[in-house]
Amino acid sequence: EAEVAQSPRYKITEKSQAVAFWCDPISGHATLYWYRQILGQGPELLVQFQDESVVDDSQLPKDRFSAERLKGVDSTLKIQPAELGDSAMYLCASSLTGGSYGYTFGSGTRLTVV
Amino acid sequence: GQNIDQPTEMTATEGAIVQINCTYQTSGFNGLFWYQQHAGEAPTFLSYNVLDGLEEKGRFSSFLSRSKGYSYLLLKELQMKDSASYLCASYNTDKLIFGTGTRLQVFP
Repeated sequence: EAEVAQSPRYKITEKSQAVAFWCDPISGHATLYWYRQILGQGPELLVQFQDESVVDDSQLPKDRFSAERLKGVDSTLKIQPAELGDSAMYLCASSLTGGSYGYTFGSGTRLTVV
Repeated sequence: GQNIDQPTEMTATEGAIVQINCTYQTSGFNGLFWYQQHAGEAPTFLSYNVLDGLEEKGRFSSFLSRSKGYSYLLLKELQMKDSASYLCASYNTDKLIFGTGTRLQVFP
């Protein structure tokens, strides 16, 4: 069964350092999403791509977060500088047609900022 | 605005039936998803309702009333492995908006 690949699985970083997460969606999935999930809460959408274009980044803290999907395939989410409040699970998901058949999530990256 | 409400926690006994409710007030509503999420893992798809009514899939069923902005997930013959968080998500235009999740604990 096709999967969404994410790495690293776990990341511990110090406050004010830069950190990056990588996601490779299921082949052929044009829509890619990055979500942040704080412990005990539901996933919150950070950014949505359609191919290489950003469709929605209204909830992305743009002063410190950036996301790119240069060739419309894999994607990178970066935080610089990291803050204690950024500790969370970062989930990548992809879908065929913008989500009408649901998403397939990757295993996520658990970020701890110390 | 977007608002999705579901209970924070529920408990139940192995072999029993449990119903997890979800109410939503969202714009551009196109359907309602339920996901299961075990601790430290990614959400996995359970069900999708577009039209009013009940969708049954094995031990799990999901119901939707669009006019009432209401859905529920019904879990029958509970097993210990059903202990997890259950996320209600509204599909709006082209993205999923998630509730905070309901943490279900199943006891022997």
